Amino acid sequence: DVKVTQSSRYLVKRTGEKVFLECVQDMDHENMFWYRQDPGLGLRLIYFSYDVKMKEKGDIPEGYSVSREKKERFSLILESASTNQTSMYLCASSFTPDRTSYNEQFFGPGTRLTVL
Amino acid sequence: SQKIEQNSEALNIQEGKTATLTCNYTNYSPAYLQWYRQDPGRGPVFLLLIRENEKEKRKERLKVTFDTTLKQSLFHITASQPADSATYLCALEAGTALIFGKGTTLSVSS
Repeated sequence: DVKVTQSSRYLVKRTGEKVFLECVQDMDHENMFWYRQDPGLGLRLIYFSYDVKMKEKGDIPEGYSVSREKKERFSLILESASTNQTSMYLCASSFTPDRTSYNEQFFGPGTRLTVL
Repeated sequence: SQKIEQNSEALNIQEGKTATLTCNYTNYSPAYLQWYRQDPGRGPVFLLLIRENEKEKRKERLKVTFDTTLKQSLFHITASQPADSATYLCALEAGTALIFGKGTTLSVSS
């Protein structure tokens, strides 16, 4: 059974703290993604990675950084957490797409982060 | 930039009826479009993919259409059940990534 796991389901941090969100996939996928999901705004892409040590900015990268040192692990870092980063964070992974195969994304269960 | 819209935030229907959800997009010609289901407090789960050269795709009680001229996809659930109640997201291919719509929350009452 394919699996994407995230390090925490719920997390409470204080303003200014450095926050690490970890994501691990066991499907040998090349691509990994970090999204945040907010009511009325939907899923928004923060960063993605298409290979180890490679990363691309998504739509809302400001205030975030990422790290991918191993193929199965993709970390999202909030350098100095702020209250407007309170959100549900979702990690996903997928194979490299080609015209003959699916590029479905497999999502983790999410981390609900609250910044006080 | 690409824009994707799901026509309504919420849709309420009676059990046994067909639910039809709409996804419209602009400023783009995606090679394919996907639909996902999301239950409260959980990550989205992939349901169906339809390619630009396919008009229709079916999977059990689900049917997706893709009209590249209208830039629209319709997602149908026939013989709907209360267990189909969830938020449904459409997503456009954007290279390696996907662009997601905000979703339509479907409620099926018995």
